[in-house]
Amino acid sequence: GDSVTQMEGPVTLSEEAFLTINCTYTATGYPSLFWYVQYPGEGLQLLLKATKADDKGSNKGFEATYRKETTSFHLEKGSVQVSDSAVYFCALLNTGGFKTIFGAGTRLFVKA
Amino acid sequence: EAGVTQFPSHSVIEKGQTVTLRCDPISGHDNLYWYRRVMGKEIKFLLHFVKESKQDESGMPNNRFLAERTGGTYSTLKVQPAELEDSGVYFCASSHNSPTGELFFGEGSRLTVL
Repeated sequence: GDSVTQMEGPVTLSEEAFLTINCTYTATGYPSLFWYVQYPGEGLQLLLKATKADDKGSNKGFEATYRKETTSFHLEKGSVQVSDSAVYFCALLNTGGFKTIFGAGTRLFVKA
Repeated sequence: EAGVTQFPSHSVIEKGQTVTLRCDPISGHDNLYWYRRVMGKEIKFLLHFVKESKQDESGMPNNRFLAERTGGTYSTLKVQPAELEDSGVYFCASSHNSPTGELFFGEGSRLTVL
């Protein structure tokens, strides 16, 4: 079945460091891909998405490119801030489906 | 617009007891989902309502779990009797009638079974 694998955390970075969180997926068809973020004490919220191959999703300085050839959707940010400390979830939704599949989440700590 | 609200935020019960979790979706969202995250693992799908109808309940672990959505508004998820392995965070999410894929989540209900 469909699945999402993302790098284990926690990831600890200093402020202004470069961030990469790896995500790969297995799916039949052509899924839409998402990154959700959960800040402390809050529910998950959509960070960015891409709906087809080679699309780049971006928001709040974060980017991810839908790579069909490598079945990947890695999350990147050029300069992280303390306020980016959160848990990040990679997810997919297959075409015509309603069941979003999530990865295990990667916790990010950013130190001042 | 009010977001998705869940109650209680945390529940601690003994094995064998019953717990009922409640979710109020965003007004006008026909799609309502329950998910569960256990011990820092992936967020697993439990079931999906469209209005008051169960569209997909393939993720429900067993018959100790019962979900309802009265009149297509709020939803409840009852666990009876609770077992130790039911501990985790239960998330509710809702989405637009014509889904773009984006889910709107509540803050989750943390269930601890002792």
